[in-house]
Amino acid sequence: ETGVTQSPTHLIKTRGQQVTLRCSSQSGHNTVSWYQQALGQGPQFIFQYYREEENGRGNFPPRFSGLQFPNYSSELNVNALELDDSALYLCASSTSGSSYEQYFGPGTRLTVT
Amino acid sequence: AQSVTQLDSHVSVSEGTPVLLRCNYSSSYSPSLFWYVQHPNKGLQLLLKYTSAATLVKGINGFEAEFKKSETSFHLTKPSAHMSDAAEYFCVVLISNFGNEKLTFGTGTRLTIIP
Repeated sequence: ETGVTQSPTHLIKTRGQQVTLRCSSQSGHNTVSWYQQALGQGPQFIFQYYREEENGRGNFPPRFSGLQFPNYSSELNVNALELDDSALYLCASSTSGSSYEQYFGPGTRLTVT
Repeated sequence: AQSVTQLDSHVSVSEGTPVLLRCNYSSSYSPSLFWYVQHPNKGLQLLLKYTSAATLVKGINGFEAEFKKSETSFHLTKPSAHMSDAAEYFCVVLISNFGNEKLTFGTGTRLTIIP
């Protein structure tokens, strides 16, 4: 069974730039959720994708957007990066649009300078 | 609105002594509650989950939690701490809204184990 993987592990961007983060879901899982974890805080829900459509969204501005592909992998895109976007971005996979039993990836550490 | 509050931001215990990490929840109905652990530079791992089947829930690595409705609590315990338990622990509630589900995390408790 393949676990959740994320890429890249780390990256550094400049304010105003755009970034794309990638997530491959666990084998057999068709739902991907994205979370932002700022330093010293708990993860905050960004959005969830199920069957290639957004299936719920947290309190994040539209410059945070996503995609899910037919193989259930997913991308998180952030436009017009701000310094406060610096965080660990976690993705989690599950089944059937549920958040009940999620399996998390190791995360991508984004630093915005 | 459903939420969780972790009462301690940092807990330190000696190796071999009991661990208690406290969590209170707020919910108008019986919630689904979880504890997740995050080791440094690693992703989140599910320790245990409560879904109203039994009030005492056993998880991995010797951890357990008891759901107490009268106290609106879901504290995490372990009889004997091990050095490998040092990590950040999150109490989490599952929120359902018109078919959409999301996890809402507490602010976390950092557990330090003293040799």
